[in-house]
Amino acid sequence: DAKTTQPPSMDCAEGRAANLPCNHSTISGNEYVYWYRQIHSQGPQYIIHGLKNNETNEMASLIITEDRKSSTLILPHATLRDTAVYYCIVLNSGGSNYKLTFGKGTLLTVNP
Amino acid sequence: DTAVSQTPKYLVTQMGNDKSIKCEQNLGHDTMYWYKQDSKKFLKIMFSYNNKELIINETVPNRFSPKSPDKAHLNLHINSLELGDSAVYFCASSQDPIYNEQFFGPGTRLTVL
Repeated sequence: DAKTTQPPSMDCAEGRAANLPCNHSTISGNEYVYWYRQIHSQGPQYIIHGLKNNETNEMASLIITEDRKSSTLILPHATLRDTAVYYCIVLNSGGSNYKLTFGKGTLLTVNP
Repeated sequence: DTAVSQTPKYLVTQMGNDKSIKCEQNLGHDTMYWYKQDSKKFLKIMFSYNNKELIINETVPNRFSPKSPDKAHLNLHINSLELGDSAVYFCASSQDPIYNEQFFGPGTRLTVL
């Protein structure tokens, strides 16, 4: 059972920023927020992760609110190839077994 | 240079048969995983191995038996295949069990007739 809530779908115009929200109101202090995406018929792809601070890499930026109850993944200049299902995951740190629990994700469609 | 590879890509078989899916990673990672993605697109972890030892075993029928001959390989053997086993199976690897940047393979689409 995923600990996150995401909109089922979003649209974005090519070249514009795509902002994907995620709610994780029950997140614990030591739990990370991970983002993955899955392009149609491919394996999931890691994007970014963070704990408290905002993070940026070559693919995206991750903005985490101060109370850590929500976050936003930002693709600064979306392209058609960014059309995919985006998964926001709170890493389950139960015991010593860390595992990714994928929810339904957000289907982002980038339109020309 | 495929980081995580799986064979075969497609597998069509009859109910009751036994089949295996192979996975190899050339990233030097210690941890490997098997996931199942069903027709509703839910992606669920099945197993995880760290340094050839089983560390995660979700509620999976014991017809499914993973085997890790070495750190770079994690194979999945399925006995007495059932219709409900039809799905896409993804292998993944990560540096260790805690650092969860996982690299996924291209998937194996299993169809049981």
